[in-house]
Amino acid sequence: DSGVTQTPKHLITATGQRVTLRCSPRSGDLSVYWYQQSLDQGLQFLIQYYNGEERAKGNILERFSAQQFPDLHSELNLSSLELGDSALYFCASSLRPYNEQFFGPGTRLTVL
Amino acid sequence: KNEVEQSPQNLTAQEGEFITINCSYSVGISALHWLQQHPGGGIVSLFMLSSGKKKHGRLIATINIQEKHSSLHITASHPRDSAVYICAVRLETSGSRLTFGEGTQLTVNP
Repeated sequence: DSGVTQTPKHLITATGQRVTLRCSPRSGDLSVYWYQQSLDQGLQFLIQYYNGEERAKGNILERFSAQQFPDLHSELNLSSLELGDSALYFCASSLRPYNEQFFGPGTRLTVL
Repeated sequence: KNEVEQSPQNLTAQEGEFITINCSYSVGISALHWLQQHPGGGIVSLFMLSSGKKKHGRLIATINIQEKHSSLHITASHPRDSAVYICAVRLETSGSRLTFGEGTQLTVNP
């Protein structure tokens, strides 16, 4: 158990819908990362937050947004869902941006 | 061309064998991670290294910065080692985000 929690574990929804994925980092970690793992693209970085502020953005679609709250948990919002958004979404956390990252168990999103 | 290349893509071994998985990268990095992903999907961080060698139990990770190459070794392999092993790097030009290899599927047969 890495200490990073993600909810829900599984999510099945329809095209056009909006979902929110939640991540609680390890106790004391200030940095949160979101990654997407799809069958055709592998693991890709989406976005990073550090102590409530956006730190870096990767291949994140405009339909996706995220935030980190004062208690340091983070949420990833996915809207206008498409079939191709079906993937495993991982959250990782680290004490500070250049420390080792620890991964949560992931949320498996299926868009039908 | 991917910035991070792993080999082999698939590896089948007999229990007890010594296993090596390789990772090569093409640009400057500040750190390299080895990750393990089990069939259930969860990812476990095995090592983070920026030079030399690290050992944890039966796992050994080495990195050669000059040659832009890292290896993950598993000694006395066991069926429970069956998983996907992923090499991920922190590029010098990309802050602290990770860039991932495609993974090596390891199957250890009893």
